[in-house]
Amino acid sequence: GNSVTQMEGPVTLSEEAFLTINCTYTATGYPSLFWYVQYPGEGLQLLLKATKADDKGSNKGFEATYRKETTSFHLEKGSVQVSDSAVYFCASTSGTYKYIFGTGTRLKVLA
Amino acid sequence: DGGITQSPKYLFRKEGQNVTLSCEQNLNHDAMYWYRQDPGQGLRLIYYSQIVNDFQKGDIAEGYSVSREKKESFPLTVTSAQKNPTAFYLCASQRLGGEKLFFGSGTQLSVL
Repeated sequence: GNSVTQMEGPVTLSEEAFLTINCTYTATGYPSLFWYVQYPGEGLQLLLKATKADDKGSNKGFEATYRKETTSFHLEKGSVQVSDSAVYFCASTSGTYKYIFGTGTRLKVLA
Repeated sequence: DGGITQSPKYLFRKEGQNVTLSCEQNLNHDAMYWYRQDPGQGLRLIYYSQIVNDFQKGDIAEGYSVSREKKESFPLTVTSAQKNPTAFYLCASQRLGGEKLFFGSGTQLSVL
């Protein structure tokens, strides 16, 4: 069946460091891919998405590229801030209700 | 402002008790979802509903029940049959034909 695998956390970085959170997927067909972010005590918010191969999603300095050849959708940011500390979820969907979420990666950014 | 409201934020259940978590949305979305979040396990789908008066079981529906009598409301009941109910519960909605999920701020359920 379909699945999403993302790197385990926590990831601890200093402010202004480069961030990569790895995400790979398995799916039949061509799913849409997403990154959601969850701040402490809150629900998830959509961070970015890509709907087809080679698409790049971007938002708030974060980027991820849909790589069909490596079945990956890694999240990157060039310079993280303390306010980026949160849990990041990679997700895929091949239908409007069939969301598959990764286990989440906690990011902690130190000042 | 449009959004999803979950209440209460914290809920405590005694053994043998049923409890109901509220989820209301004013986004005019057709689809609504309930997810359970446990540490290190990501989100698991409990129930979903795509139209009023209709709902489907997700991956972990046992011990839970829902209703969808109004478009804007999708309450979740955690019954006494759910033996391990302690978790963070998230409600989400989605417009017809859309992919983006809109989430509420969650309810933390704990057992006394």
